[in-house]
Amino acid sequence: AQTIHQWPVAEIKAVGSPLSLGCTIKGKSSPNLYWYWQATGGTLQQLFYSITVGQVESVVQLNLSASRPKDDQFILSTEKLLLSHSGFYLCAWSLVSYEQYFGPGTRLTVL
Amino acid sequence: AQSVTQPDARVTVSEGASLQLRCKYSYSGTPYLFWYVQYPRQGLQLLLKYYSGDPVVQGVNGFEAEFSKSNSSFHLRKASVHWSDSAVYFCVLSAWSNYNVLYFGSGTKLTVEP
Repeated sequence: AQTIHQWPVAEIKAVGSPLSLGCTIKGKSSPNLYWYWQATGGTLQQLFYSITVGQVESVVQLNLSASRPKDDQFILSTEKLLLSHSGFYLCAWSLVSYEQYFGPGTRLTVL
Repeated sequence: AQSVTQPDARVTVSEGASLQLRCKYSYSGTPYLFWYVQYPRQGLQLLLKYYSGDPVVQGVNGFEAEFSKSNSSFHLRKASVHWSDSAVYFCVLSAWSNYNVLYFGSGTKLTVEP
């Protein structure tokens, strides 16, 4: 069975500090991977997608970057956090079907 | 342009009552539609999906949804809700560009009162 793991579970960071969030998918070969951001009480905004190792496309510009160093790993990062980066970050995967499957999320608080 | 509208931000029902959460979509192509549920501080779980065929689709935990092309709707229903159904429900439209794009509604927060 496939599993999706996100780390850390939660982060509290200072404005201007760097950030790295991770996502790992086990049990699926060559999945499409996605990053989403959700403001508190809000809907989801797709940030990045990746269809293969080393290739990442940006959907919206939020002063964030993403990388896919391995087939089963997706990293979200920034060198300098803003207050507006606070929220809930979700990783998701899909294969050739239309539905996506989401991870448990990482809650980020920027102070 | 494609979009999903959930007109009810909050819905409160009594335990054991029936439920309908409304969803309208706008899309010129063939719609692939989903309902996801998000429990507090958790990720999203897929409740059910519609690709084609029978307009009424069954999901987990007794949920079902009915697709209507004429009304551009995909309403979620449950015959008898339980307190554990309290959560936020998202109606989602899927489309393929050069990748799988999901369009989310704004969500409906369901509260089930005892």
